[in-house]
Amino acid sequence: NAGVTQTPKFRVLKTGQSMTLLCAQDMNHEYMYWYRQDPGMGLRLIHYSVGEGTTAKGEVPDGYNVSRLKKQNFLLGLESAAPSQTSVYFCASSSFRLAEPTYNEQFFGPGTRLTVL
Amino acid sequence: GENVEQHPSTLSVQEGDSAVIKCTYSDSASNYFPWYKQELGKRPQLIIDIRSNVGEKKDQRIAVTLNKTAKHFSLHITETQPEDSAVYFCAASPRMSGTSYGKLTFGQGTILTVHP
Repeated sequence: NAGVTQTPKFRVLKTGQSMTLLCAQDMNHEYMYWYRQDPGMGLRLIHYSVGEGTTAKGEVPDGYNVSRLKKQNFLLGLESAAPSQTSVYFCASSSFRLAEPTYNEQFFGPGTRLTVL
Repeated sequence: GENVEQHPSTLSVQEGDSAVIKCTYSDSASNYFPWYKQELGKRPQLIIDIRSNVGEKKDQRIAVTLNKTAKHFSLHITETQPEDSAVYFCAASPRMSGTSYGKLTFGQGTILTVHP
């Protein structure tokens, strides 16, 4: 199993350009997340999804859009990149079983380093 | 919402010493407290977690303690080794259920450096 994978690993954009980050997981997890990591600020949740076709905003959603058309994929889009979006982006996933309470153990992808000039 | 504070932001120890990282949380509904280790340029990886029905959990040189009354939990690393050098993140989450997705709120991270 590959676990959680992300593409691309690195990207440099110019202000105003758009791009899509792809996250894929092969663990059949229901929940998927996008975080950004900035120095001294830990991991901040951008958007998350609790299942195929559903998405919700996290704590820093502005400037980003997401889609979850397939259970195994979660896409993060930047429509008009800004220098403030220079960051390392991590995708994560976790499982949930309705039959019992579950603790949110999240598995992370390798990250995408994005620079916006 | 939940707020997690983590201290210290940097920690430097000599090989063989112990290291302690502390976190406080604000939401009494939180009952899952994982710790992640992130090596330079790598992804965060879960190293240990504790659930609110226990006060302490050990895994070899790593231990975590939880005080629900005071709303704080700590990571203890004994006999530190240079390969323990990394950024450590604590987090807190309420239990996932049919009505709650169990949002994970992270602390700001602690840079641990173990000197040989």
